[in-house]
Amino acid sequence: AQTVTQSQPEMSVQEAETVTLSCTYDTSENNYYLFWYKQPPSRQMILVIRQEAYKQQNATENRFSVNFQKAAKSFSLKISDSQLGDTAMYFCAFKDSGYALNFGKGTSLLVTP
Amino acid sequence: GAGVSQTPSNKVTEKGKYVELRCDPISGHTALYWYRQSLGQGPEFLIYFQGTGAADDSGLPNDRFFAVRPEGSVSTLKIQRTERGDSAVYLCASSQSGSLGETQYFGPGTRLLVL
Repeated sequence: AQTVTQSQPEMSVQEAETVTLSCTYDTSENNYYLFWYKQPPSRQMILVIRQEAYKQQNATENRFSVNFQKAAKSFSLKISDSQLGDTAMYFCAFKDSGYALNFGKGTSLLVTP
Repeated sequence: GAGVSQTPSNKVTEKGKYVELRCDPISGHTALYWYRQSLGQGPEFLIYFQGTGAADDSGLPNDRFFAVRPEGSVSTLKIQRTERGDSAVYLCASSQSGSLGETQYFGPGTRLLVL
């Protein structure tokens, strides 16, 4: 069974600082995709960043970047220059040949002034 | 529409009642997904539609749950004889064609509370 583990239930960071959210996953497949989604209190899941497993280069989207370690099955999210609007639940997810996204339990991130 | 929409936003019902939850995907998206998110958990897959047909319903917990997408656009998730354990946020997502690696775009969800 595929699993996604987010070992940090809660994290806190000061505005303008950098924070890293951890994620590990397990799959027996070689071709898959990894995602980080943000879920603010409005409940809307918003895609933050995605990574294709066959690409060695780590994905970057403005202040958001990932550290993808395929051999270790690790996919961490780094948020630079944190902003108050980054406060939300963050979910790591992966998708292989199946149709569904497999999500972790999430990390609650609080950005403080 | 610009994004995935879901109605109602919140639904309160009594144990044993029947409920319908509606999802309106992004226009032109042939792939539609339903997920259920219990408190403190990540979303869990329920069912996947490709066009009008349910291509994968392996996530439906039991036969009280059923979903349809008769015209390949709007989908309705139906829950019969609701139980307190059905209380959760039901999320709908759509993607362009369902191919590997496509981004799934989510709606705001329907929060269902069964009393």
